[in-house]
Amino acid sequence: GAVVSQHPSWVICKSGTSVKIECRSLDFQATTMFWYRQFPKQSLMLMATSNEGSKATYEQGVEKDKFLINHASLTLSTLTVTSAHPEDSSFYICSTKKIAADPDTQYFGPGTRLTVL
Amino acid sequence: DQQVKQNSPSLSVQEGRISILNCDYTNSMFDYFLWYKKYPAEGPTFLISISSIKDKNEDGRFTVFLNKSAKHLSLHIVPSQPGDSAVYFCAASNGGTSYGKLTFGQGTILTVHP
Repeated sequence: GAVVSQHPSWVICKSGTSVKIECRSLDFQATTMFWYRQFPKQSLMLMATSNEGSKATYEQGVEKDKFLINHASLTLSTLTVTSAHPEDSSFYICSTKKIAADPDTQYFGPGTRLTVL
Repeated sequence: DQQVKQNSPSLSVQEGRISILNCDYTNSMFDYFLWYKKYPAEGPTFLISISSIKDKNEDGRFTVFLNKSAKHLSLHIVPSQPGDSAVYFCAASNGGTSYGKLTFGQGTILTVHP
């Protein structure tokens, strides 16, 4: 499998502040990265698809101005939660796909626990 | 609309026996299916996948079966081990138009007792 890292692994912030989460693919180049959110005891919900060098594609109901995604290189995508509120508290997970590899197999990072006070 | 469903929230199995995790889907355009294992506060780990052109794929203790007519897939783990205790998610994609997007089921908590 592929190695995907996320930083930070957990973060606590005050309401109204912005938080940046990094997702890195460590052993391969990833043109596409995905950002998911998981609330307690629920499934993983896709938030957006991040493509290197272009704008991210957001799922219905996800505010693109609130969840800013930047995919500046083939190994790094960032998710910034702007003006965070307590309802944004969740487990955020990124995943990557290898270039020209197994169809649609995604490799996930360890996740970032965000708590907004 | 829940396109991928795992109707059993939990499953308890004795060590050494078979674990069978089930998953149903409604979208006939799905053509690739995956199973992931997840521990609390960690990202999912890829286990095994199957393309819609197959009805079975095996990897060690893990076997995935696909019944396209019933829109049903299952994951068999044999023999089950205590270390298999985790949440198992099935996922599906439509490789043709979804650009790799995965739709996940709700997950099944597997507990393997020693």
